[in-house]
Amino acid sequence: DVKVTQSSRYLVKRTGEKVFLECVQDMDHENMFWYRQDPGLGLRLIYFSYDVKMKEKGDIPEGYSVSREKKERFSLILESASTNQTSMYLCASSFRGLLVYEQYFGPGTRLTVT
Amino acid sequence: QQQVKQSPQSLIVQKGGISIINCAYENTAFDYFPWYQQFPGKGPALLIAIRPDVSEKKEGRFTISFNKSAKQFSLHIMDSQPGDSATYFCAASLLRGDMRFGAGTRLTVKP
Repeated sequence: DVKVTQSSRYLVKRTGEKVFLECVQDMDHENMFWYRQDPGLGLRLIYFSYDVKMKEKGDIPEGYSVSREKKERFSLILESASTNQTSMYLCASSFRGLLVYEQYFGPGTRLTVT
Repeated sequence: QQQVKQSPQSLIVQKGGISIINCAYENTAFDYFPWYQQFPGKGPALLIAIRPDVSEKKEGRFTISFNKSAKQFSLHIMDSQPGDSATYFCAASLLRGDMRFGAGTRLTVKP
């Protein structure tokens, strides 16, 4: 069974804090993704990575950065948290190949910035 | 700007009825069209997917209809059950693997 785990289910941070969200997958997937989920907006892609140390911006990268030092781990960093970054954050992973493959999601981290 | 437009936002169906959710896209580079199902407190999980060279795909009670010329696709849930109550997302993916999701449809199936 594919497993994508996220470091916290719930997180409360203060405005201006640096926040780290961690994601680990155990299926040797090349691709990893970070999304944020907001009501009425669906899932929006923040960043993705198709290999170690590689990263690509998604649709809403402003205010975020990422790190992928190991294949199984993909971190999302909020350099200076703001209240408009209060959201559900979802990590996903997938194989990379000639065909597009299913993305497997973690359970999400609900981040509240006060 | 949403690259994949999904409707309706919410849907209430009687048990045994047909649930229909529609999606539209603009980017003809999209090459894979999955539907994800999400229950409260869980991450989304793949339900069914289709590639653009096929017009229909059926898996059990779930069917995707795909219209390449109209750039539209839809999910049909036959004989809807209360256990199908969830949020459904359509998505479209580029060949390199990054996906764009619709805004989601909250489906409620009344017993």
